[in-house]
Amino acid sequence: RKEVEQDPGPFNVPEGATVAFNCTYSNSASQSFFWYRQDCRKEPKLLMSVYSSGNEDGRFTAQLNRASQYISLLIRDSKLSDSATYLCVVTSNTGNQFYFGTGTSLTVIP
Amino acid sequence: DAEITQSPRHKITETGRQVTLACHQTWNHNNMFWYRQDLGHGLRLIHYSYGVQDTNKGEVSDGYSVSRSNTEDLPLTLESAASSQTSVYFCASSEAPYNEQFFGPGTRLTVL
Repeated sequence: RKEVEQDPGPFNVPEGATVAFNCTYSNSASQSFFWYRQDCRKEPKLLMSVYSSGNEDGRFTAQLNRASQYISLLIRDSKLSDSATYLCVVTSNTGNQFYFGTGTSLTVIP
Repeated sequence: DAEITQSPRHKITETGRQVTLACHQTWNHNNMFWYRQDLGHGLRLIHYSYGVQDTNKGEVSDGYSVSRSNTEDLPLTLESAASSQTSVYFCASSEAPYNEQFFGPGTRLTVL
């Protein structure tokens, strides 16, 4: 079983739409959670960390559900510039390894 | 500004050759990582290091080696390149476990 599972998409949404991505993880002892963004042929970059209480950064909201072992990312009022692949990341229980999902592709259409 | 760089950015080599990919960071981070990214697999950890003289195997370490002689550099060596090692390789560093990892721009390696 993979450490992290993500719906690969693709998600094609119009500008202004709200879109949500989910990601499930297998290790209940995982300690830290992140969402990274990766543009085509570029390196991944941190979008936001995911905290137990949930957190928001502008149009982006991340949630963690430890009981069901999933994390989510909500993007409101989608912009063309949001088009990218979004990677969910879960650490091992010791924190020394990051496990990446395969990524969810988002295209925002004018 | 602090940064993490990789070289070369693109490399074509032949099966059986030894290849070394360079990674250099100026963040002064103790933790450094090498990943490969392939379609359908996402990023997979090859090796990682928590400091000078420390190296550890990751999920897909067979056929790869690293050495850490200083804080700034973690070169990745493919001892005898195989076609299955054709991939995009990313180096990353972080201040501490659990912390954000910063990625280099990647090296696209093709083994013919």
